[in-house]
Amino acid sequence: QQPVQSPQAVILREGEDAVINCSSSKALYSVHWYRQKHGEAPVFLMILLKGGEQKGHEKISASFNEKKQQSSLYLTASQLSYSGTYFCGTEANTGNQFYFGTGTSLTVIP
Amino acid sequence: DTAVSQTPKYLVTQMGNDKSIKCEQNLGHDTMYWYKQDSKKFLKIMFSYNNKELIINETVPNRFSPKSPDKAHLNLHINSLELGDSAVYFCASSPIAGNRKNIQYFGAGTRLSVL
Repeated sequence: QQPVQSPQAVILREGEDAVINCSSSKALYSVHWYRQKHGEAPVFLMILLKGGEQKGHEKISASFNEKKQQSSLYLTASQLSYSGTYFCGTEANTGNQFYFGTGTSLTVIP
Repeated sequence: DTAVSQTPKYLVTQMGNDKSIKCEQNLGHDTMYWYKQDSKKFLKIMFSYNNKELIINETVPNRFSPKSPDKAHLNLHINSLELGDSAVYFCASSPIAGNRKNIQYFGAGTRLSVL
C-alpha cells in the first residue's frame, strides 16, 4: 500500500533540474509532497487534489496524473537549500488512510 | 508557540526498560499520528487517533501502546524495549476535513536509542 518513489537518490549540481516520481497501486484522491532536511521533521510542500492538477511552490512544482495513479515533483534550477529527503504521501479514493512513499534523497552540490 | 511538540527529544535507555514519549498539538486538529522512521528513512505509520479514538493500528508489537487522554494529546508508551526499537519517532496531527484534509504537521521527533 506504500507508494513507490523513484529514483531512490539523486545528486545534482546547483542550477540543475530533477524529477521525482511517486507511483501508487491504488486509485488516488490526493497526493502530498513533503521535504525532510537532515535531522529535522518532514515539512509539507504542497497537495494535489484533482487529476491532471499542477501546482507550484517557488521553483518546485508537481503534477498528478489520476489515471496513471502517479505524481511527479519537478525541481528546477536547484539550490543548495533543496537538499533533503522528499516524500510523497497518498490518500486513496476509498477509505481515509494516508501513506508516505519510500522517499527520495536529493543532494545539491555547489 | 510550537504547533506540535513532543518530549523528550532524545531518549537513551537499556534493553528491557519501559519508556514513554509525549505529544501535544495546539492546532485544533482532530487526528493525531505516531510514525517510526528507521535508519533507511522510511516513514512508517504506527497509530492514528481521531478525536481520542484509535482508527489505525498498523502491524506494531503490542509492547507499543498509544494513549489519547484528549484530542490534543497522543502519548506513546513502549514496554520491554528491544534493540530494534531504536529509531526516530514522530508525532503528527492533521485536520480531518476541508481542503487541508490529511496534511501532516510534524513534531520535531524523538530519537530513541536502545543499548
